[in-house]
Amino acid sequence: NAGVTQTPKFQVLKTGQSMTLQCAQDMNHEYMSWYRQDPGMGLRLIHYSVGAGITDQGEVPNGYNVSRSTTEDFPLRLLSAAPSQTSVYFCASSPKQGAGYGYTFGSGTRLTVV
Amino acid sequence: GQQLNQSPQSMFIQEGEDVSMNCTSSSIFNTWLWYKQDPGEGPVLLIALYKAGELTSNGRLTAQFGITRKDSFLNISASIPSDVGIYFCAGQRGAQKLVFGQGTRLTINP
Repeated sequence: NAGVTQTPKFQVLKTGQSMTLQCAQDMNHEYMSWYRQDPGMGLRLIHYSVGAGITDQGEVPNGYNVSRSTTEDFPLRLLSAAPSQTSVYFCASSPKQGAGYGYTFGSGTRLTVV
Repeated sequence: GQQLNQSPQSMFIQEGEDVSMNCTSSSIFNTWLWYKQDPGEGPVLLIALYKAGELTSNGRLTAQFGITRKDSFLNISASIPSDVGIYFCAGQRGAQKLVFGQGTRLTINP
């Protein structure tokens, strides 16, 4: 089925470990973004991309890196995991940024850092 | 960052009751969206609103784009158990990114 695919669904990391959360979409969407969801905090934007080769920071970018080498993929990297990064992470995509397009979300990655 | 004020934060209702929730902002938006998040899943778009004063329905759900363009409302009629989840409003202005509310968690007692 077409949509946004996130892997893995669950992950436990030790403090200081690194890992990459994968996100892929097959809808040829230009816009892709990463959010984290914490209890009582809603969805907070980490990084976003308006097209291949272009990325920018959201409101909570510290501790995360992204790249966008293709239209389809937008991986999120944690270089040195910290307990404060325990959260549920969502990738979302849209045909373009703005102009009334809603976002299509993946099913999320639940990350625990111990 | 900018957030929308969504209320209530949580609701505990009996099956069959109607539900109302709303979102307000100090800024004007051109688009209002309502999403639902089922437990363990990502948010899914329910309703999109593009014009001030617009009233749109999707089954038992009805949403309105406030006339001032600074608020939006979502109503659910005759709630059923599968309505359980978190409802998010989101606003958009021009080419800018979506701004999300903090969510309303709906719990239904059978």
